[in-house]
This record gives sequence, structure tokens and C-alpha cells, in this order.
Amino acid sequence: DGGITQSPKYLFRKEGQNVTLSCEQNLNHDAMYWYRQDPGQGLRLIYYSQIVNDFQKGDIAEGYSVSREKKESFPLTVTSAQKNPTAFYLCASRPGSGSISTDTQYFGPGTRLTVL
Amino acid sequence: AQKVTQAQTEISVVEKEDVTLDCVYETRDTTYYLFWYKQPPSGELVFLIRRNSFDEQNEISGRYSWNFQKSTSSFNFTITASQVVDSAVYFCALSGESGGSNYKLTFGKGTLLTVNP
Repeated sequence: DGGITQSPKYLFRKEGQNVTLSCEQNLNHDAMYWYRQDPGQGLRLIYYSQIVNDFQKGDIAEGYSVSREKKESFPLTVTSAQKNPTAFYLCASRPGSGSISTDTQYFGPGTRLTVL
Repeated sequence: AQKVTQAQTEISVVEKEDVTLDCVYETRDTTYYLFWYKQPPSGELVFLIRRNSFDEQNEISGRYSWNFQKSTSSFNFTITASQVVDSAVYFCALSGESGGSNYKLTFGKGTLLTVNP
């Protein structure tokens, strides 16, 4: 089945540790995105990538890093520099310009990160 | 700058009632896209509908309907004969040409809908 997978679903981290969240898609989508969601808040964009080996900062990139070595994968690293990392993280992907739905993002199931 | 306002933080209804979720947006773009997503308790955002700025036709999909009015910058979502399974957080979102080809989304803060049996 085609879709977006994120792992793990729940993640616990000690303060001061880096942690990497996985996002994989087999939809052949060109663009991928990472969002952060805090309780009672909308989603805020962390990073996005439109093609392999290229990515741009979103609105709240500080304390995060990403890579896009493969079209299917867009891992997010939450570094120790992120002051308040406890949140729900959602990955999304979007078809390329040749698709009728190129303007629509589709989301994965999310990873809930808790810093202890 | 783009902005999406969902003034209703929480709505509670009894099953079979109709309910409307409000969404008001701000943008200076001529071409833009509006979206509704559903977030059930499991957390995943489920895409419901997309509407571009040139298409003001209302849309109906089963019990769901959407009313897009450019004159009032609103894109409201109505659920007819609500069911318990409709309980979720609903997000309205906006992307526009000023964001370039990356279609960055600006989200409202969401409306928590609880449908009681």
C-alpha cells in the first residue's frame, strides 16, 4: 500500500541527547515537509524539501536538522539545542508539478516526542 | 503575511445535529488554495478537501459540505447529521503563490469537535 510512514510512534529522550525521527514515503512524491504540533496549536513548519539533496528552513528551524539523500526519505534530527522539544511531529509529502494534486500535502501518522 | 483564524476552539453537539466549523483567512495573493484536514485521536491528519481561489463553487461530499465565499474571506465546513466518528480536531489551512512553488501551508489553530451519542 502507498503511504507515509513515521517511526517510532512514541519516543522518549533524555535532556541533552539528539534524536532522529524517521519519515518514509512510497508515493513517489517530490516534496516533503516536517511540522511540529503543540497542544491546542496549529501546525508549524520546521523544514521542507522539494528535491533530493536540497532543503529549506521553515518558520521554526532552530534546533533541528534534516537530510534528503533519497526521494523516499526525509529524517528529522532534534538536537540538544532545541529548547523545548516535547511535541507531536508530523511529516508530509506532496506530488510533483506533473500531478493534478501538486498543491496538496498528505500527512503521516506522526511521532510523539517526550523529553524526560 | 498569511493568516488563518478558526474562532471556535471547541464545539460539542449531540449525534445527528448539524454543525458548522468556521474558517476565516487573510492573504494578499490572487492565487491561493484552501484546505480542510481532520485529525482524529490517533493523530494523523486526514486530507478532506482542497479549493483554489478561482473556484467559489460550494462542494458536497456525503454528509460534508463546504462554503467558500471570497467576499468574506471564509471557507466554512458543515457536517450534516453528525456522528460520533466525526469527533476530531479539524484544521483549516491556506497556501498561496507568495510562498512560491513549495506550497507552504499556514494552519489555523483547529477546532475540537465532540459528537456525543
